[in-house]
Amino acid sequence: AQSVTQLGSHVSVSEGALVLLRCNYSSSVPPYLFWYVQYPNQGLQLLLKYTSAATLVKGINGFEAEFKKSETSFHLTKPSAHMSDAAEYFCAVSDQAGANNLFFGTGTRLTVIP
Amino acid sequence: GAGVSQSPRYKVAKRGQDVALRCDPISGHVSLFWYQQALGQGPEFLTYFQNEAQLDKSGLPSDRFFAERPEGSVSTLKIQRTQQEDSAVYLCASSTLAGGPYEQYFGPGTRLTVT
Repeated sequence: AQSVTQLGSHVSVSEGALVLLRCNYSSSVPPYLFWYVQYPNQGLQLLLKYTSAATLVKGINGFEAEFKKSETSFHLTKPSAHMSDAAEYFCAVSDQAGANNLFFGTGTRLTVIP
Repeated sequence: GAGVSQSPRYKVAKRGQDVALRCDPISGHVSLFWYQQALGQGPEFLTYFQNEAQLDKSGLPSDRFFAERPEGSVSTLKIQRTQQEDSAVYLCASSTLAGGPYEQYFGPGTRLTVT
């Protein structure tokens, strides 16, 4: 079974500061890992995904995440926060043998302080 | 190009009413997923279609929930005899192919409120 834990339901950073959103996964098989962003009243948009190639994955809007098998983590980072980054972020996992239905974490709401 | 669309965007139902939620996936997408997102939670998987075949319905919370995709494109999620605990945002997603790490494209969701 797959599951995801996102530490911190709310994170606040100053504009220009480092963004770090934490995600730990549990999977009995090699996982695919995803980060999605959700803006108010909109659907989820894919930021980046890990598919067992490079462990450091670069996504859109300057975000990146590193897959660390030893730590079962897939934390999302961005060197410098922008006001437009304020949104809800979801980490998700699926297994490589399945149909790719996603198991989501409970989300982290990012606030960017001007 | 057009993304995934869902209708209605908002639905208010009295407890006990039946509702039907529609999803129009991206044209040509083989896979279609339904998720339920309760307030303050992440989306939870409900059911999965590959073309017209419903291959996984393990996430449907009760037999009051029914989904179909008869021609392998548009899908409808039906909830019979709605209960207050059914209040949530229902998200539809589609992807190009079956299986694999293919990106799921999400619609804006239907917010269902059961009073």
